[in-house]
Amino acid sequence: EVQLVESGGGLVQPGGSLKLSCGASGFTSSDSAMHWVRQASGKGLEWVGRIRGKVHNYAPVYAASVKGRFTISRDESKNTTYLHMNSLKIEDTAIYYCTTPLTYNDPFDIWGQGTMVTVSS
Amino acid sequence: EIVMTQSPATLSVSPGETATLSCRASQSVSINLAWYQQKPGQAPRLLMYRTNTRAAGIPARFSGSGSGTEFTLTISSLQSEDFGLYYCQQYYDLWAFGQGTKVEIK
Repeated sequence: EVQLVESGGGLVQPGGSLKLSCGASGFTSSDSAMHWVRQASGKGLEWVGRIRGKVHNYAPVYAASVKGRFTISRDESKNTTYLHMNSLKIEDTAIYYCTTPLTYNDPFDIWGQGTMVTVSS
Repeated sequence: EIVMTQSPATLSVSPGETATLSCRASQSVSINLAWYQQKPGQAPRLLMYRTNTRAAGIPARFSGSGSGTEFTLTISSLQSEDFGLYYCQQYYDLWAFGQGTKVEIK
C-alpha cells in the first residue's frame, strides 16, 4: 500500500525550531518530488515547499512565507523527507501534510495524515 | 505569485441537485488546474487534474472546465458523500491553492 506518514509535530516556542519527518512506503520516493502543505485551523491549504528527486539533484523551492526559515531535505536510504523549521512564528501554527505527485505529473495524489505544529509561548 | 480566488465561499445544495464551483486565477495558468475535496479531519483528496481529467476512482458526476484564468467544477446529482470543502490549485507557476468553497446540505 502506498503511504506517507508524518511525524515530529508538537508545541514549540516562538523563535524555536522543529523537524518534521515524512516516511514513504509502498513506493520508491527517490523518483518523486515531495511537497509540504500546511493548513491552519479553520483555514485553507497553503503550499510550503518542494524537493525534487535525485535525478533533479534534489532541487528545493519554497513559498515566500517560509523562505529562509524552512528547509526541506531527504534521506533516500530511509525513504524519508524532512521539513526543518527554524525561527518559528505563531502564524506557522498549522497541520503540516507531506504530499507527492506519484501518479500524475504535478497534482498531489498521495497525502499523509498530517502532523500538528503549535507555536506558542 | 499567482493568486487563486474561489467563489462562492459557501454553497448550499440539496441532494440530487447540481453544484457549480468557480475558481479564478490572477494570471493565466493554461489548463494546469486541479481540484481537491477535503472532509473534516482528513487530508485533501485529488478529484480532477489538467482542468477536466478525473483522478482514479472519481465518479463521472464530477466534471471540470475552463482554461486560462476561469475554471469551473461541476458536481451533478449531489450525493451525501459529496458535501465538504473543495479547493482549486494551480500548478503552472509553483503551486497555489484557492481559499476553498464549502458545499453544505441545504
